Amino acid sequence: EVQLLESGGGLVQPGGSLRLSCAASGFTFSSYGMSWVRQAPGKALEWVSHISGSGGSTYNEDSVKGRFIISRDNSKNTLHLQINSLRADDTAVYYCAKDQSRFCSGGSCYFHDWGQGTLVTVSS
Amino acid sequence: QSVLTQSPSVSGAPGQRVTISCTGSSSNIGAFYDVHWYQQLPGTAPKLLIYANSNRPSGVPDRFSGSKSDTSASLAITGLQAEDEADYYCQSYDTSLSGWVFGGGTKLTVL
Repeated sequence: EVQLLESGGGLVQPGGSLRLSCAASGFTFSSYGMSWVRQAPGKALEWVSHISGSGGSTYNEDSVKGRFIISRDNSKNTLHLQINSLRADDTAVYYCAKDQSRFCSGGSCYFHDWGQGTLVTVSS
Repeated sequence: QSVLTQSPSVSGAPGQRVTISCTGSSSNIGAFYDVHWYQQLPGTAPKLLIYANSNRPSGVPDRFSGSKSDTSASLAITGLQAEDEADYYCQSYDTSLSGWVFGGGTKLTVL
């Protein structure tokens, strides 16, 4: 059974940083691309970042480019999101999500499994 | 403002059929990218409901069905049940944005 468990959220001041983690189990982690998807309170889902299984390719939504860094440690089956220069509009629940297949790429991938999310609150 | 457009809300009585629409453009749904649907029950994480326009993952009842045409897609739910009350999101890929995009979500209320 696929399990994704996020951690690292919390209350942070504007301009601050956080490192989110997603511990994965139940599948061959290094074979699957992974994404971070966020949801501001009462708002829609928003894709943020994606990383390939090897970690060699990363993609970021325009509003977070230069501030968010997605990475992974395949030896520890863990996905990370380093979020810097936090703003109030970054307040959201951050979900990690697993691609549906080892063989998908780019637009053929979608979010097959989801974690329970971790809440990031940016406030002074 | 979301790249994919959904009606904010829809409602129906138990046993009825409802449809939820998702409208995109030539850079996403119209560019032959698949549409996927997610169900988010209150206070929980999203769950994959329909993938690749019309396919149901194992465990999803056949009361849920999806379709796609040109630059839009639809999710149909028949035989509405109280436990179907949730937010529903469509998702595709946008070639202009080079990223994955979601609809604004539709809140389904079972009367």
